[in-house]
Amino acid sequence: GAVVSQHPSWVICKSGTSVKIECRSLDFQATTMFWYRQFPKQSLMLMATSNEGSKATYEQGVEKDKFLINHASLTLSTLTVTSAHPEDSSFYICSARDWQQNNYGYTFGSGTRLTVV
Amino acid sequence: KQEVTQIPAALSVPEGENLVLNCSFTDSAIYNLQWFRQDPGKGLTSLLLIQSSQREQTSGRLNASLDKSSGRSTLYIAASQPGDSATYLCAVRPKQAGTALIFGKGTTLSVSS
Repeated sequence: GAVVSQHPSWVICKSGTSVKIECRSLDFQATTMFWYRQFPKQSLMLMATSNEGSKATYEQGVEKDKFLINHASLTLSTLTVTSAHPEDSSFYICSARDWQQNNYGYTFGSGTRLTVV
Repeated sequence: KQEVTQIPAALSVPEGENLVLNCSFTDSAIYNLQWFRQDPGKGLTSLLLIQSSQREQTSGRLNASLDKSSGRSTLYIAASQPGDSATYLCAVRPKQAGTALIFGKGTTLSVSS
């Protein structure tokens, strides 16, 4: 079945630094990937839709200059949290769907736990 | 705007009990509905996917139903086990092309031995 690999699984960084999170579709091509954020005991909230070869679409309230998304190939999307602050600490998770298999659901990465100190 | 609600928010049961988790959504214009399991600090594991034209799906001890017209889905877990303890998330895929899943807040299940 479709597999999405997400790295790193956890990261601790200092306030003011940038962190890059990678999301790869291992056995299928994903023209679109989605980035979510999940705060403790909350549900997944969509941050942005990443489109291969074009600009990402951000949800209302998500700063595009802070959360940089690059989808340079059909199997890789990256999320960079720039100038991270403690309030950016959260669980970030990506998802993708194999568009050639219309009956398949969305597959999710294993998530990245970001802690900004 | 599509909203997904899950009831109850938390549930504690003894091992062996059959249980039902509920999910409701406000807009019936969906492609499908998906149930996920999330263990603490982990990603999502897909459990069952029901297409909008389907009424139910089964996998092992899990059975999910979908009543699109009323905006409801249930996840039935038979003979619950301590290993079933996790948060269960319901998500719908809206009919708009290329849109992401919309999630409920989940039901946190605890099964005691």
